[in-house]
Amino acid sequence: QSVLTQPPSASGTPGQRVTISCSGSRSNIGTNSVSWYQQLPGAAPKLLIQSDNERPSGVPDRFSGSKSGTSASLAISGLQSEDEADYYCATWDDSLDSHVVFGGGTKLTVL
Amino acid sequence: QLQLRESGPGLVRPSETLSLTCTVSGGSITNTTHYWGWIRQTPGKGLEWIGSLYIGGNTYYSPSLKSRVSLSVDTSKNQFSLRLSSVTAADTAVFYCAGDYLGLGNHDYWGLGTLVTVSS
Repeated sequence: QSVLTQPPSASGTPGQRVTISCSGSRSNIGTNSVSWYQQLPGAAPKLLIQSDNERPSGVPDRFSGSKSGTSASLAISGLQSEDEADYYCATWDDSLDSHVVFGGGTKLTVL
Repeated sequence: QLQLRESGPGLVRPSETLSLTCTVSGGSITNTTHYWGWIRQTPGKGLEWIGSLYIGGNTYYSPSLKSRVSLSVDTSKNQFSLRLSSVTAADTAVFYCAGDYLGLGNHDYWGLGTLVTVSS
């Protein structure tokens, strides 16, 4: 059971816009910035969104992040077949000892 | 551009200690912009953060693993290491080392990962 809750799956057709949610609490998302990762099959995760809504260099502007209260979202517009991957949210959690927590991951299928 | 590479045994016996090293190239591990840490992924499952350290500063551990984990650094070799004691089959995973920019949870550098199997 992950501290951050993501839907296990999401899907869309090419060209569509899809969003993936990440729900937490005051001690994590409510206090700290959120990052998002894309993991292609057999590969290491790749940082997609940092500090809630910033795209690292090289990440297409089709990917965007947002946060409100204790929830965050990743949006992918103009969906492409190569976007089929697992997506994870993460943030620091200040409960007990400070530590990083990941969401359980969302498998995105491009239909 | 930093590159990270994990190394260590691919097979560890139950109750023993798992030891992995991450070698950083393309830059100094003593740069002040990154925390250095470890994340694991059990087969077919999600990501689990293990811990991270800031050279000359604090070390942070997952509460669920804290009693068994130790992180260390060797600046002369540009490496940092993970030790996980009293392993069981549940510790079988792909272990990634990663750099966390400014310790904000923005892991912008990752190793390729190394599979460690716990089995007798």
